Amino acid sequence: EIQLQESGPGLVKPSQSLSLTCSVTGYTITSGYDWSWIRKFPGNKMEWMGYISYSGSTNYNPSLKSRISITRDTSKNQFFLQLNSVTTEDTATYYCARGGQLFDYWGQGVMVTVSS
Amino acid sequence: DVQMTQSPSYLAASPGESVSISCKASKSISNNLAWYQEKPGKANKLLIHSGSTLQSGTPSRFSGSGSGTDFTLTIRSLEFEDFAVYYCQQYNEYPYTFGAGTKLELK
Repeated sequence: EIQLQESGPGLVKPSQSLSLTCSVTGYTITSGYDWSWIRKFPGNKMEWMGYISYSGSTNYNPSLKSRISITRDTSKNQFFLQLNSVTTEDTATYYCARGGQLFDYWGQGVMVTVSS
Repeated sequence: DVQMTQSPSYLAASPGESVSISCKASKSISNNLAWYQEKPGKANKLLIHSGSTLQSGTPSRFSGSGSGTDFTLTIRSLEFEDFAVYYCQQYNEYPYTFGAGTKLELK
């Protein structure tokens, strides 16, 4: 069974970087598919943030392009999100998911609050 | 960006009833639309893609219709497990965008 699990700090200070890990079991991230980060803001608005492909290429939402980086560690079957210069508006629940267009497996999400 | 407008935001129904949720795109997205189900403590579930194609494992009481700008998710003969939040998502053009969600509540 394919499972994704997000992990990372639940509280980040403004202007700092937000770093999250998605650990994947049941499927090797280099075997295929794109691997995405998606977030849901308070009030339920959802935003696709970007993905890293099975080959390592990336594609980001233009609204985040200057602040976001998605990388991976193939030896650990993990991929990562880094979002720089966060503000309170980055407070959200962050999800990792399999897919770059359709998202057929999701993690349960991790809530991240940006606050001093 | 393509704006996705879902309605209603909230919907109350009883088991056995049928309900429909609307999703409208700000421009044509062909049939590149997906529906997801969100339940507390569970991973989001892809229900339908390509506007009307059921994802493997989706019960047949779920159906999707529409193309272009107007889409509908219909759930027939509601079961208790169907009470959840439903989102539409377009994947016709980047950046892919979601509707604001419809919360289906037990009446």
